[in-house]
Amino acid sequence: QSALTQPASVSGSPGQSITISCTGTSSDVGGYNYVSWYRQHPGKAPKLMIYDVSNRPSGVSNRFSGSKSGNTASLTISGLQAEDEADYYCSSYTSSSPLYVFGTGTKVTVL
Amino acid sequence: QVQLQQSGPGLVKPSQTLSLTCAISGDSVSTNSVAWNWIRQSPSRGLEWLGRTYYRSKWYNDYAVSVQGRITINPDTSKNQFSLQLNSVTPDDTAVYYCAREENSCHEYWGQGTLVTVSS
Repeated sequence: QSALTQPASVSGSPGQSITISCTGTSSDVGGYNYVSWYRQHPGKAPKLMIYDVSNRPSGVSNRFSGSKSGNTASLTISGLQAEDEADYYCSSYTSSSPLYVFGTGTKVTVL
Repeated sequence: QVQLQQSGPGLVKPSQTLSLTCAISGDSVSTNSVAWNWIRQSPSRGLEWLGRTYYRSKWYNDYAVSVQGRITINPDTSKNQFSLQLNSVTPDDTAVYYCAREENSCHEYWGQGTLVTVSS
């Protein structure tokens, strides 16, 4: 099972919106509505931002939203803030081993 | 609030066994609706799911094929924790190891991470 494909970097100015894509296959992203997104600051553990494609855990800002079309999922961050500067990873449940596959990661830079 | 506290050595010699423990507070390792996972992260492999243990009237395990045969994840109900053992390690197993709680097909709670270096 290969890692999900994400752009290496995305940038935006404060207040703008950005979108990060996550491309997999019909065996993972396309086959299940079990896509999640994580934010990771340097030296810290990942933090869950979106689960089941588009659901936000309690406490996560509504500036974060998720969607999916076919084998590609997307994370949109609106109203970009300095604290959003971090690495972002998507993850999907898969039909075989490993049960979960992660994306290659996207570095978000707030200009 | 669920909290996961990891412990274990940060340096392991090649061919030896990597052992880490994840202590759980705010939940039970025997909770029926969740699973307890180990995930690692390295520059070369990125984030990699290793395996999980969970209780559904009895204990089950799932492991990634990449480490199958070398990995064991065990629950310890008396201490409310779970552990990771990875045998016959090589420098390629050098990574930050995380424990994580899985519910609703995602990982909301993570341990603080343990950098494990495999070196003689």
